[in-house]
Amino acid sequence: EPEVTQTPSHQVTQMGQEVILRCVPISNHLYFYWYRQILGQKVEFLVSFYNNEISEKSEIFDDQFSVERPDGSNFTLKIRSTKLEDSAMYFCASRGETSGPRNEQFFGPGTRLTVL
Amino acid sequence: AQKVTQAQTEISVVEKEDVTLDCVYETRDTTYYLFWYKQPPSGELVFLIRRNSFDEQNEISGRYSWNFQKSTSSFNFTITASQVVDSAVYFCALRGGGFKTIFGAGTRLFVKA
Repeated sequence: EPEVTQTPSHQVTQMGQEVILRCVPISNHLYFYWYRQILGQKVEFLVSFYNNEISEKSEIFDDQFSVERPDGSNFTLKIRSTKLEDSAMYFCASRGETSGPRNEQFFGPGTRLTVL
Repeated sequence: AQKVTQAQTEISVVEKEDVTLDCVYETRDTTYYLFWYKQPPSGELVFLIRRNSFDEQNEISGRYSWNFQKSTSSFNFTITASQVVDSAVYFCALRGGGFKTIFGAGTRLFVKA
């Protein structure tokens, strides 16, 4: 069964460094998402991406964050200058058709980001 | 504004007991989708069910069942004859007319042998 993949599974970085988290969504999906989960807390929406542009973003998704779909398969989240509070699990998700029986989001396994 | 409330932070049961996880939601959208996800200790999010706002039929899948009631804005999840492998954090989630999905705070379920 097709699945969303994410790399790396764990990333450790120094405060102030740039990180890029990578995702390969399910191949025929149209909607792409990033969510974040700080340890022990709930899953929070960061951004959605459709038709090669951001369709919606949360207050968390400030100028330090950016997303890109550089080719037909990858979907990346960049954090320009990481802060300690960016330490979290980052989940990528993708979704297919807008309605119908298969419009749930499928989540990747997550990338755990640790900022020291 | 959209909101999902899971009032139960933690539930502890003994294996083979039935357990119900509560979920109450708020939305102004007339069309919306409700979800349950399971997050085992390994951390991934496992999709369990999706329900749209026009379909109030309850659903059963093996030991899992879901009770959707629009009148009380609730979408509760019952595990029958719980097993140790059911131990996880369970998230209820809502997607309305926009793109994002709003998650509840989660309920941590401990099933003891």
